[in-house]
Amino acid sequence: DAGVTQSPTHLIKTRGQQVTLRCSPKSGHDTVSWYQQALGQGPQFIFQYYEEEERQRGNFPDRFSGHQFPNYSSELNVNALLLGDSALYLCASSSPGAPGNEQFFGPGTRLTVL
Amino acid sequence: AQSVTQPDIHITVSEGASLELRCNYSYGATPYLFWYVQSPGQGLQLLLKYFSGDTLVQGIKGFEAEFKRSQSSFNLRKPSVHWSDAAEYFCAVGAREYGNKLVFGAGTILRVKS
Repeated sequence: DAGVTQSPTHLIKTRGQQVTLRCSPKSGHDTVSWYQQALGQGPQFIFQYYEEEERQRGNFPDRFSGHQFPNYSSELNVNALLLGDSALYLCASSSPGAPGNEQFFGPGTRLTVL
Repeated sequence: AQSVTQPDIHITVSEGASLELRCNYSYGATPYLFWYVQSPGQGLQLLLKYFSGDTLVQGIKGFEAEFKRSQSSFNLRKPSVHWSDAAEYFCAVGAREYGNKLVFGAGTILRVKS
């Protein structure tokens, strides 16, 4: 049973560019959440997708957008990259009926903005 | 606003010694509580979780945690630490009333000395 997978593993971009990160949820899960983890900090919630709609959003600017596909996989897009967007981006999946919002995390994508 | 505090940024213990990592939360609802572990460059692995019921919960790798509502705490413990436990530990809180996002603490880095 494959867990949550993310691609790519690492990515280097320059300021002003755009980036797309991808996530496939754990088998049987239909909800995907994205988190940003800056160096030395805990993960911060970006947004969550369910039934191809953004269901909840954290305190992130509109430069951060996402999408969920019919197969439940998801993309995170970041436009007009800033140096401060350098972080580990984590994807988590869950099922809506899961007690306590239990979320399973992928290995992350390390984004470096130069 | 919801918040999670992990007062200790770094902790060093000797191999074989006992461990306690502290977590305090501020939440306006009945919380779901989690402890995750993260090795360098890796994603998050769930150690244990509390939803309801018995306030002492057992997790993987010999870890346990106790929910104390009166103190708004969910401290992680292990009776005998192994060198392989060296990692960063995150406490996280969620609540159905606040949707499905998790709010994380800043993490505690555990160093184990032989």
